Amino acid sequence: ELKVEQNPLFLSMQEGKNYTIYCNYSTTSDRLYWYRQDPGKSLESLFVLLSNGAVKQEGRLMASLDTKARLSTLHITAAVHDLSATYFCAVDISSGNQFYFGTGTSLTVIP
Amino acid sequence: NAGVTQTPKFQVLKTGQSMTLQCAQDMNHEYMSWYRQDPGMGLRLIHYSVGAGITDQGEVPNGYNVSRSTTEDFPLRLLSAAPSQTSVYFCASSYPGTHQRAFFGQGTRLTVV
Repeated sequence: ELKVEQNPLFLSMQEGKNYTIYCNYSTTSDRLYWYRQDPGKSLESLFVLLSNGAVKQEGRLMASLDTKARLSTLHITAAVHDLSATYFCAVDISSGNQFYFGTGTSLTVIP
Repeated sequence: NAGVTQTPKFQVLKTGQSMTLQCAQDMNHEYMSWYRQDPGMGLRLIHYSVGAGITDQGEVPNGYNVSRSTTEDFPLRLLSAAPSQTSVYFCASSYPGTHQRAFFGQGTRLTVV
């Protein structure tokens, strides 16, 4: 059974601080996605990581993928309140059609 | 450009009732799929389709049926609703290919009493 584990599940951080969310998965896959979800809303695609060593950055968020360790990270730099949301990683096992999601990390950025 | 449209947004059913959750996309995506989201469990794949006429089961298919008669539509049917099916349901679509990201609908919040 494929497992995708995220930690932490809940994260409360002060504005201006840095932190990393971890995503471990149990299958061999070189396709890893990060999504953001605001309360009561749909999922917004953040990053698509398609190979070992892939690194993507947008604004204060940077995602990386280590397929050998089956680990992806989402690093938050100098957090701001607008980043408060739930972040999901997802492993794709079939070229964009079957995603297995982590449990999500609920991030709250406090002043 | 509407993207992925789900209807209804909210629904309350009694145990044993049937209903269909609608999903339509206007991006000519071949791939479509249904997920359910429960607290503390992320999203779980129910059924998916790689094209019109082709469907398959995902991680949690029991109690749900799907069909794909057109590229645009992918309805999810609950034949006899159970309280365990209380959840938020998301439909997603994408082009084939490893670099393609999925687009999600706004979700349907279903309560079975």
